[in-house]
Amino acid sequence: GENVEQHPSTLSVQEGDSAVIKCTYSDSASNYFPWYKQELGKRPQLIIDIRSNVGEKKDQRIAVTLNKTAKHFSLHITETQPEDSAVYFCAASPSYDKVIFGPGTSLSVIP
Amino acid sequence: GAVVSQHPSRVICKSGTSVKIECRSLDFQATTMFWYRQFPKKSLMLMATSNEGSKATYEQGVEKDKFLINHASLTLSTLTVTSAHPEDSSFYICSARTGGSETQYFGPGTRLLVL
Repeated sequence: GENVEQHPSTLSVQEGDSAVIKCTYSDSASNYFPWYKQELGKRPQLIIDIRSNVGEKKDQRIAVTLNKTAKHFSLHITETQPEDSAVYFCAASPSYDKVIFGPGTSLSVIP
Repeated sequence: GAVVSQHPSRVICKSGTSVKIECRSLDFQATTMFWYRQFPKKSLMLMATSNEGSKATYEQGVEKDKFLINHASLTLSTLTVTSAHPEDSSFYICSARTGGSETQYFGPGTRLLVL
């Protein structure tokens, strides 16, 4: 089955710097890759997603890139702010009815 | 829009009893609902996927007789933990999705503690 790995597990950045989180997946059938943000004690919220027919997608300070050949995808957050502090999960969907999550990255943005 | 609720938010029960958790989509029809289990500071582990009116599809290693899932309507899915034991203590979170969309909307989760 699909296996999603995520690095780093924890990340601290200074406010205003960029943060990059990288994920790999194993199932070449995966064609949908969402990213979720989970603040402490709250539910996961979708922040951006990308499909396999697209190499890059951007939404304001957040961008995601996908390398389908290498089975890599990454989340880039620019101009980080303290409110970006949260756990970020990448995920891969090998079929319409299945989404497998990575282990998560705890991001801390230091003011 | 796209609000998902879960009830109860937390429950404490004795070992051997059964617990039912409800997941509701409040303002949309959820053709598919997902049930996850999340351990402290860990990821979301997919337990099962349920489509309205169909039997749930369980992930490998998840006992379908222990974790009963029912998705009888387009706005309600239930997870029943039968004969709960302390190792079943965890955070259970559901998500819902409409047909034709891949975006999942998560509920707030239910914290289960089995004594």
